[in-house]
Amino acid sequence: QVQLKESGPGLVKPSETLSLICSVSGVSIGSGGYYWSWIRQPPGKGLEWIGHIYYSRDADHNPSLQSRISISVDTSKNHFSLSLSSMTAADTAVYFCARDTITHGLDVWGQGTTVIVSS
Amino acid sequence: DIVMTQSPDSLAVSLGERATINCKSSQSILFRSNSKSYIAWYQQKPGQPPKRLIYWASTRESGVPDRFSGSGSGTDFTLTISSLQAEDVAVYYCHQYYTTPQAFGQGTKLEIK
Repeated sequence: QVQLKESGPGLVKPSETLSLICSVSGVSIGSGGYYWSWIRQPPGKGLEWIGHIYYSRDADHNPSLQSRISISVDTSKNHFSLSLSSMTAADTAVYFCARDTITHGLDVWGQGTTVIVSS
Repeated sequence: DIVMTQSPDSLAVSLGERATINCKSSQSILFRSNSKSYIAWYQQKPGQPPKRLIYWASTRESGVPDRFSGSGSGTDFTLTISSLQAEDVAVYYCHQYYTTPQAFGQGTKLEIK
């Protein structure tokens, strides 16, 4: 079955860049048919769509994060990545990756990884 | 950008009673070529990722109990739990995937009265 798993540092210093990877198993990103998404959830708050990428196209990003964000895909490793620069306390959140079916919403989610921004 | 607004923010319902959660989009999310509204509903329990319940406004995910139903079209949508069970305590989110940036509602916390 399809599984997604986030990995990355649990603690980031203010002004640094966060790098997260979402490892995908059970389906090949390079086969197409899906977008691959990042979503985050600050403590005690709701979900925020960060962006998504198709294996052969440019990513789409949330404009609120536009200048700080980069999403990329590595089909050889079957994973996709999130880079978020100039981190502040407001970026403290659980970061989820998910599969975007394009027409049916987000059908498979990772368990999430907690990122705390603190010196 | 499309804004999704849920109501109420929280809801307490007795076991066995009906729970209704509303979601309004700031623009139509009806995809005319297939007449489908591009909205999904998710259930999130503490410490877990969201779980998709409904897509296309009213199509139930495989394995989701039939007490969960979705309705609506265009800009106004509803998630209904016909007979609340204890395991339905969670936060529920609507989500528009019609266009980017995609957007979620702020969430509705459902509790037992």
